[in-house]
Amino acid sequence: EVRLVESGGGLAQPGGSLRLSCVASGFTFSSYTMNWVRQAPGKGLEWLSYITGTTGVINYADSVKGRFTISRDNAKSSVYLQMSSLTAEDAAVYYCARMNVIRGQAFDFWGQGTIVTVS
Amino acid sequence: DVQMTQSPSTLSASIGDRVTITCRASQNINNWLAWYQQNPGKAPNLLIYKASSLESGVPSRFSGSGSGTEFTLTISSLQPDDFATYYCQKSNDDWTFGQGTKVEVK
Repeated sequence: EVRLVESGGGLAQPGGSLRLSCVASGFTFSSYTMNWVRQAPGKGLEWLSYITGTTGVINYADSVKGRFTISRDNAKSSVYLQMSSLTAEDAAVYYCARMNVIRGQAFDFWGQGTIVTVS
Repeated sequence: DVQMTQSPSTLSASIGDRVTITCRASQNINNWLAWYQQNPGKAPNLLIYKASSLESGVPSRFSGSGSGTEFTLTISSLQPDDFATYYCQKSNDDWTFGQGTKVEVK
C-alpha cells in the first residue's frame, strides 16, 4: 500500500523558518518525482515544487522561488521542504504528492497534509 | 506562465443530475490535464489523467474530454459522494491548478 506521511508543520513566526518532511512507503521511492502542494485556508490548491527521482532535477513555483528548498533522501524514502522568510501568506496545509508518469504526470497519491501557521 | 481557469466556481445540482465542469488553459497544453476531487479536510483524489483516462477505482460516471485549451469533466449521474470540490491541473512543465469548482446540493 502506498503511503505518504507528512510532518514538521506547526507555528512559525513571520520571517522564520520551518522544515517539512514526507516519508514514503509501499513503492520504489527513487523511481518517482515528488512534489509539494499547499492549500491556504478556504483557498484552492497551489503547486510549489518538484524534485525528480534519481537526477534530482528541481523546479519551483515563482511564489516560493528563493525562499523554499526541496530536497530528498532516497535511502530514507523521504522528501523535504525547507521554508524560510515565512509570511502570513504561507500559512496553509502542505501536502506531498507522488507524480506518476504512467498517469500522464498526474499526482496519483497524496499525504494527509501538515498544517503550517505563521503568526 | 499558463493559466488554468475553471467554470463555474460553484455549481448547484441534485442527485441524478448530469454535471459538467469546464477548464480552460491560456495556451495549448495538448492533453496534459488531470482532474481531482477534494472533500473538506481531505487530500485531493485523482479522477482523470491525460484529459480523458479514468484513474483505477474511480466510478465510470466520471469522464473527461478535450484537448488543447478546453477541457471538461462530466459526472453522468450525480451521487451523494460527489458533492465536493473539483480541480483541474496542467500536468507538464509546471503543475498549475485551476481555482476549483464546488459542487453543492441544490
